[in-house]
Amino acid sequence: DTEVTQTPKHLVMGMTNKKSLKCEQHMGHRAMYWYKQKAKKPPELMFVYSYEKLSINESVPSRFSPECPNSSLLNLHLHALQPEDSALYLCASNQASGGIGNEQFFGPGTRLTVL
Amino acid sequence: GQNIDQPTEMTATEGAIVQINCTYQTSGFNGLFWYQQHAGEAPTFLSYNVLDGLEEKGRFSSFLSRSKGYSYLLLKELQMKDSASYLCAVRYTGFQKLVFGTGTRLLVSP
Repeated sequence: DTEVTQTPKHLVMGMTNKKSLKCEQHMGHRAMYWYKQKAKKPPELMFVYSYEKLSINESVPSRFSPECPNSSLLNLHLHALQPEDSALYLCASNQASGGIGNEQFFGPGTRLTVL
Repeated sequence: GQNIDQPTEMTATEGAIVQINCTYQTSGFNGLFWYQQHAGEAPTFLSYNVLDGLEEKGRFSSFLSRSKGYSYLLLKELQMKDSASYLCAVRYTGFQKLVFGTGTRLLVSP
């Protein structure tokens, strides 16, 4: 299984809603990532988890709250978002250690619209 | 900052060859990746360079010059399905962080 899955594919939420994005991989990867991608822009790193511990937070507002319940799952909890948070949210994973290559595998993304 | 620059858009015709350039800041460099991304889809891995020189993978090749902070992706025998965005991404020290370039939108016409 060389796939990263994300649910839901699309999400529309109001500014007062609470929702969660989910990401799953079964490749034995111990590093997992959340990226935000606006239209016609490259992905921007938000968070990195390594061995289920948060290792990088790129100064993301607290209305985004990541969680890594186990080595296969990564969640992104959303609360009180703003319309400018509308974007494609991508999850990725790879081996936590370095080494040759070690490319990140990306999921298909969740298209989020905040009204 | 860690600016990674690519041309914004390129156009080419089917069957042709196109070269997409990428320049990056060299301090802390630890590997360069090229990804392809079709509109609304996830990026997919194309190639990886960490040493100077050319890596060839079928119709796609990628070149790296570490001293110049320069890479290119070469696409041969272009097909319509190659119309996509091409992202250059640099891994800096620490292995985990990838910094993406601005991306190049390639349009292949008949």
